[in-house]
Amino acid sequence: GAGVSQSPRYKVAKRGQDVALRCDPISGHVSLFWYQQALGQGPEFLTYFQNEAQLDKSGLPSDRFFAERPEGSVSTLKIQRTQQEDSAVYLCASSLRGTEFEQFFGPGTRLTVL
Amino acid sequence: EDKVVQSPLSLVVHEGDTVTLNCSYEVTNFRSLLWYKQEKKAPTFLFMLTSSGIEKKSGRLSSILDKKELSSILNITATQTGDSAIYLCAVVSRGFGNEKLTFGTGTRLTIIP
Repeated sequence: GAGVSQSPRYKVAKRGQDVALRCDPISGHVSLFWYQQALGQGPEFLTYFQNEAQLDKSGLPSDRFFAERPEGSVSTLKIQRTQQEDSAVYLCASSLRGTEFEQFFGPGTRLTVL
Repeated sequence: EDKVVQSPLSLVVHEGDTVTLNCSYEVTNFRSLLWYKQEKKAPTFLFMLTSSGIEKKSGRLSSILDKKELSSILNITATQTGDSAIYLCAVVSRGFGNEKLTFGTGTRLTIIP
């Protein structure tokens, strides 16, 4: 595809529900990153994949957050038992390899937990 | 813990003015510093600055990295209303075999026609 795509663009969940957010990176990009951006804040790193390997998940805020990229392409960020503080925009970015190449960001998924 | 601080948090100027946005950082194993412009959607890449490339320029935008002062500035000359956006600074640092991008909170720039 021409760029990074994410779906859904907007998600409203009731507290306690599980949600799954999808990211389609640019074809051929080895590295994929997830970020969480709260209102008025910069993006905060969540996790990083190189191909299918999750090399860094130090930014995941709790064990309710889980990310996977089983075939080294599409990635899913899952949040279990959502809480109100999970409300944020979730950004996905991909790069050719690592952080030495420009990261291209998707449009984000705005999650609102009621 | 890696830290990136941007100032000012917000800035309002008139079209045609020149602005300077600041970014300072405290990270272990610095590798590079990036500037992004974020309008309503995803951040778009502006510049990457590394030890081997401490000054970049593109049109009315330019950026300088000061590794001694652990800081960077982003200059925009002859501002236009289309420059209104949040400008994000991010620093790449290397951890245990992995690389990480830490963002600042951004500077919200508003250009008044």
